[in-house]
Amino acid sequence: EAQVTQNPRYLITVTGKKLTVTCSQNMNHEYMSWYRQDPGLGLRQIYYSMNVEVTDKGDVPEGYKVSRKEKRNFPLILESPSPNQTSLYFCASSLSGGGRAREQFFGPGTRLTVL
Amino acid sequence: AQKITQTQPGMFVQEKEAVTLDCTYDTSDPSYGLFWYKQPSSGEMIFLIYQGSYDQQNATEGRYSLNFQKARKSANLVISASQLGDSAMYFCAMRGGLDNYGQNFVFGPGTRLSVLP
Repeated sequence: EAQVTQNPRYLITVTGKKLTVTCSQNMNHEYMSWYRQDPGLGLRQIYYSMNVEVTDKGDVPEGYKVSRKEKRNFPLILESPSPNQTSLYFCASSLSGGGRAREQFFGPGTRLTVL
Repeated sequence: AQKITQTQPGMFVQEKEAVTLDCTYDTSDPSYGLFWYKQPSSGEMIFLIYQGSYDQQNATEGRYSLNFQKARKSANLVISASQLGDSAMYFCAMRGGLDNYGQNFVFGPGTRLSVLP
């Protein structure tokens, strides 16, 4: 089954404790992206990757890191989480560019609470 | 910079009636795609419909149709014959730069639709 998986689905942590949210897709997609969703703001892009070892900042990258060492995986790293990073996080993947760029496939979401 | 505007934070519709959710966009990219996603209370993002900037006809997917008016930069979603299961948050989104890698993906703030029995 074609899918994007995220782990963990729910996480409660404390300020300053490093964490990683994993994302994996099995569709051989070049493009992967992380978003955060906050009430009234929709989804905002944190980072995206156009292929292995190619990453770039989205609209709200502060406080986050990513890496793309393998095509299927795109982990999101919070080196020192703060309460303003409490949010619902989505990973997504798609084919890259041109007429093939139809939809993004989303993971189930990770609800993060930073105390 | 790209921007999506959804001016209706919430809407109500009677079951079996049609409803239009508004979306306007702003981009300088000549090639772009417009998307609508549904997010039910369970939280997952469900793709509904896609419209390419060069598509001549409005997109349709079952009960969903996209009223694409390129000159006005609007991409309204029309849901015909609303069902109770249509109650959800709806997001309009745009992917720009499709002549390159299509790396610019922006979402609107969403419209919460409630279908009344």
